[in-house]
Amino acid sequence: EAQVTQNPRYLITVTGKKLTVTCSQNMNHEYMSWYRQDPGLGLRQIYYSMNVEVTDKGDVPEGYKVSRKEKRNFPLILESPSPNQTSLYFCASRRGTGVNSPLHFGNGTRLTVT
Amino acid sequence: GNSVTQMEGPVTLSEEAFLTINCTYTATGYPSLFWYVQYPGEGLQLLLKATKADDKGSNKGFEATYRKETTSFHLEKGSVQVSDSAVYFCALFPWGTDKLIFGTGTRLQVFP
Repeated sequence: EAQVTQNPRYLITVTGKKLTVTCSQNMNHEYMSWYRQDPGLGLRQIYYSMNVEVTDKGDVPEGYKVSRKEKRNFPLILESPSPNQTSLYFCASRRGTGVNSPLHFGNGTRLTVT
Repeated sequence: GNSVTQMEGPVTLSEEAFLTINCTYTATGYPSLFWYVQYPGEGLQLLLKATKADDKGSNKGFEATYRKETTSFHLEKGSVQVSDSAVYFCALFPWGTDKLIFGTGTRLQVFP
């Protein structure tokens, strides 16, 4: 089954404790992206990757890192999480570029930083 | 700049009622427009899209028409079901870019 898999689904951590949220897709998609979803703000893009070893900042990259060493994986790293990073995070992927390739989303990771 | 404005929710309807969720946009050039749906506990899924003016996207009984003169892409359904309860996102793909811009989402609650 074609899917984007994020782990974990829920994560509670404390300020400053490094964490990684994993994202993997089995569709051989070139493009991958991370979003955060906050009430009243919709989805905002954190980082994206057009292909292996190519990453770029989105609208809200501060406090986050990503890497794209393999085509299928695109982990999101929070080196020193802070409470304002409490949010619902989504990974997404699509084939190539352009409007004819819809985004496929994972089921989300709800992160709470205390 | 490029942006999407959606009506605030929640929208609360009885089953079989008519649904409209308003979406307007600001963009240069010729953007493509989308509606995504997010069911509880899940990620977003593409519901429908329109890539040029006067196109009508449709899926699962939902429709939206790309109106360039009013810069709108309102989502409609003639008869909603309880299973349509979800959050609906309007999104914009500006011409010449590779980035999807989302609205803030509108929660729909349908009661039997």
